Amino acid sequence: GQNIDQPTEMTATEGAIVQINCTYQTSGFNGLFWYQQHAGEAPTFLSYNVLDGLEEKGRFSSFLSRSKGYSYLLLKELQMKDSASYLCAVRDRGYKYIFGTGTRLKVLA
Amino acid sequence: NAGVTQTPKFRVLKTGQSMTLLCAQDMNHEYMYWYRQDPGMGLRLIHYSVGEGTTAKGEVPDGYNVSRLKKQNFLLGLESAAPSQTSVYFCASRPGELNQPQHFGDGTRLSIL
Repeated sequence: GQNIDQPTEMTATEGAIVQINCTYQTSGFNGLFWYQQHAGEAPTFLSYNVLDGLEEKGRFSSFLSRSKGYSYLLLKELQMKDSASYLCAVRDRGYKYIFGTGTRLKVLA
Repeated sequence: NAGVTQTPKFRVLKTGQSMTLLCAQDMNHEYMYWYRQDPGMGLRLIHYSVGEGTTAKGEVPDGYNVSRLKKQNFLLGLESAAPSQTSVYFCASRPGELNQPQHFGDGTRLSIL
């Protein structure tokens, strides 16, 4: 079967660092994507990993370990506007994407 | 640059009615996707297309049909709407390069009474 697991909710304080984990079991692997989705809005792309290691983009970093079926999204210097859902998605067979249920992050002042 | 545009944005239907959701992209993308998003379920793939004139089933295709007669448009049809199809529907597109992400439309909020 195909399965992606993420924590349902996380809470962190403004200015802090938070790590959102994602574990996956899929029939094939052709890349892992992280998206941000504010309530009532469309998902927007944050990061892409296809090889093991860390990808850094400003305040956001994403890590992948293919052997462990594991990824995390690291958000630094949290801001109130980072309060959103974070979606982990795996692409298999080149065309189809499997999404996790998302992690709802609340940033507190 | 409009990106991915979905129409309508909101709709209320009665059980048994039919309707078509339109997705249009102006980025010349090869691949297009229809998802539904329900609370606690995440995004689930309904149908997708790898190019003009082609369609394929996703994870939850029952009760839906699609067509991609033109490269820029991907239509999702509900043949006979059921309350279980109440959801937020998202369309997405992406170019052929594998390292490029999907771009999502703003969604269609559909209620079936």
